[in-house]
Amino acid sequence: GQNIDQPTEMTATEGAIVQINCTYQTSGFNGLFWYQQHAGEAPTFLSYNVLDGLEEKGRFSSFLSRSKGYSYLLLKELQMKDSASYLCAVSDSNYQLIWGAGTKLIIKP
Amino acid sequence: ETGVTQSPTHLIKTRGQQVTLRCSSQSGHNTVSWYQQALGQGPQFIFQYYREEENGRGNFPPRFSGLQFPNYSSELNVNALELDDSALYLCASSPVDSFSGANVLTFGAGSRLTVL
Repeated sequence: GQNIDQPTEMTATEGAIVQINCTYQTSGFNGLFWYQQHAGEAPTFLSYNVLDGLEEKGRFSSFLSRSKGYSYLLLKELQMKDSASYLCAVSDSNYQLIWGAGTKLIIKP
Repeated sequence: ETGVTQSPTHLIKTRGQQVTLRCSSQSGHNTVSWYQQALGQGPQFIFQYYREEENGRGNFPPRFSGLQFPNYSSELNVNALELDDSALYLCASSPVDSFSGANVLTFGAGSRLTVL
């Protein structure tokens, strides 16, 4: 079957760095997405990786290793507004998005 | 540019009833997909509409059906509601057929359905 695994919850301190991991097993691979979802709001796009390596976008970076079925989202200089759920999603061989359950990130002052 | 709008935002139904949820896609987007998100879970793909036809479906029974209109807006209909249908229903639009590679989805804020 297809599976996306990410930690359920993580806690970090304002100003620090946090890494949210995602491992996947899917039938085919056409890219990996990270979305941010604040409580009660719509998911919003953060990043897309289809080739191995690191993609940097401001305070957020995303890494992909296709051979390991692994990705991480790195958040630097954490701010209170970064408290949200972070969803990892993989586009499979049919270009259908398979979603993880999300990682709830709690930022403490 | 306007984003994706969904209505209603919240609704309560009883088991066995039918519900219709509505979605207006972002300007310039011609593809709409629907997702079910249970509490504490990631979104589950229901189906996608492109050019007014369903062109992809997840593992949902036929009582989940939909429509896309010429202006690219869409409806999700669920018949014979069950308690497990209680969830947040998300609509997402994209500028091209999502089944063609990297395609960023723009989500609406969702319709929260409670089935009693």
